[in-house]
Amino acid sequence: AQTVTQSQPEMSVQEAETVTLSCTYDTSESDYYLFWYKQPPSRQMILVIRQEAYKQQNATENRFSVNFQKAAKSFSLKISDSQLGDAAMYFCAYRSQRYSGGGADGLTFGKGTHLIIQP
Amino acid sequence: EAQVTQNPRYLITVTGKKLTVTCSQNMNHEYMSWYRQDPGLGLRQIYYSMNVEVTDKGDVPEGYKVSRKEKRNFPLILESPSPNQTSLYFCASSGRGHGNQPQHFGDGTRLSIL
Repeated sequence: AQTVTQSQPEMSVQEAETVTLSCTYDTSESDYYLFWYKQPPSRQMILVIRQEAYKQQNATENRFSVNFQKAAKSFSLKISDSQLGDAAMYFCAYRSQRYSGGGADGLTFGKGTHLIIQP
Repeated sequence: EAQVTQNPRYLITVTGKKLTVTCSQNMNHEYMSWYRQDPGLGLRQIYYSMNVEVTDKGDVPEGYKVSRKEKRNFPLILESPSPNQTSLYFCASSGRGHGNQPQHFGDGTRLSIL
């Protein structure tokens, strides 16, 4: 079974600064997908960014980028020019490429990092 | 508008009183899942369905039932709720194909079992 670890329960950053959220995972698979989800106080789950394991290039979405290190099984999220609206819980998630059952459709989540933006 | 709709959004009930949380998606997705979110534990999968009449257990299925009689609906049933099922519940769906297709989440259902 895969596991996802977010070692930072809480992070704080000054507005306009850059912050990096850590995520490591454990898997024996070679093909998989990784995601970062944002959960603001409204509780909605919002997809921030995704990465295919077979792609070497790190994914980028505007101010959000990842540092994907496949050999190290690390998938960190960097938020540049932090804004007050970035304050939220952030969850790292893993999804297998398999569709043969055994929860193949589901996401395995880390426990989350609470990001605080200081004005 | 593509969406996953859960009802109710909030529910306070008592131990042992059967309840159903409905989930409906309008994207013709094959895959649907239920998760529960608890403080310090992240989201954990309860049940999932790969298509109509095909369901299977996730990581924390005890005390829950599901059914998938129609493609768009995936209700979560608590036959005899207990206080340890007090949680925030999410339904999610995604289409068949590459696993990088994002899961679309409902807005969550806050259940309190007294």
